[in-house]
Amino acid sequence: DAGVTQSPTHLIKTRGQQVTLRCSPISGHKSVSWYQQVLGQGPQFIFQYYEKEERGRGNFPDRFSARQFPNYSSELNVNALLLGDSALYLCASSLVGLNYGYTFGSGTRLTVV
Amino acid sequence: QKEVEQNSGPLSVPEGAIASLNCTYSDRGSQSFFWYRQYSGKSPELIMFIYSNGDKEDGRFTAQLNKASQYVSLLIRDSQPSDSATYLCAVNNAGGTSYGKLTFGQGTILTVHP
Repeated sequence: DAGVTQSPTHLIKTRGQQVTLRCSPISGHKSVSWYQQVLGQGPQFIFQYYEKEERGRGNFPDRFSARQFPNYSSELNVNALLLGDSALYLCASSLVGLNYGYTFGSGTRLTVV
Repeated sequence: QKEVEQNSGPLSVPEGAIASLNCTYSDRGSQSFFWYRQYSGKSPELIMFIYSNGDKEDGRFTAQLNKASQYVSLLIRDSQPSDSATYLCAVNNAGGTSYGKLTFGQGTILTVHP
């Protein structure tokens, strides 16, 4: 079975530009979450989507937005990129409930120059 | 106080020894607890999760949870050089359908030397 797939793998953008990151969850997983991981730190929660609705949002500015599609895939958009947005962006999918783990994709490495 | 704190590390153990990784959390409402392994340049990989007090064993790995002390640990028996990685503790304190928010610690770097 395919795991969580993310695209692109790497991305270089200029300050002020906009970026869209994509995620396809494991088949059967309806919950998708997005995380930002800066080098040397643990991942920070950005968004969670379930059944195409936003179920949680972390402490990130409005420049960050996301959506989930009917096939449960998801996009993360970041506008007006700042140098500080350079990070590994991780998508995780899961079944819903306390008794399930979260599987991460391989991530998108975003570099803002 | 950080929501999730891990022992600062780095932790270095000889091959074959037991590695002990510790994590404390501040929210008493936390409901499930996860240990992830992350190799350099890679994404986190789920090792174990636990939601009931006590021990949970899976091969060489044992997760221990003590909700009264707000403490969760991971023991790695017979440590191997391939276990060298950053270990992330994560806590889920959401309810209802909002299960996607994991709060992570800063990670502990483990090195297993031959």
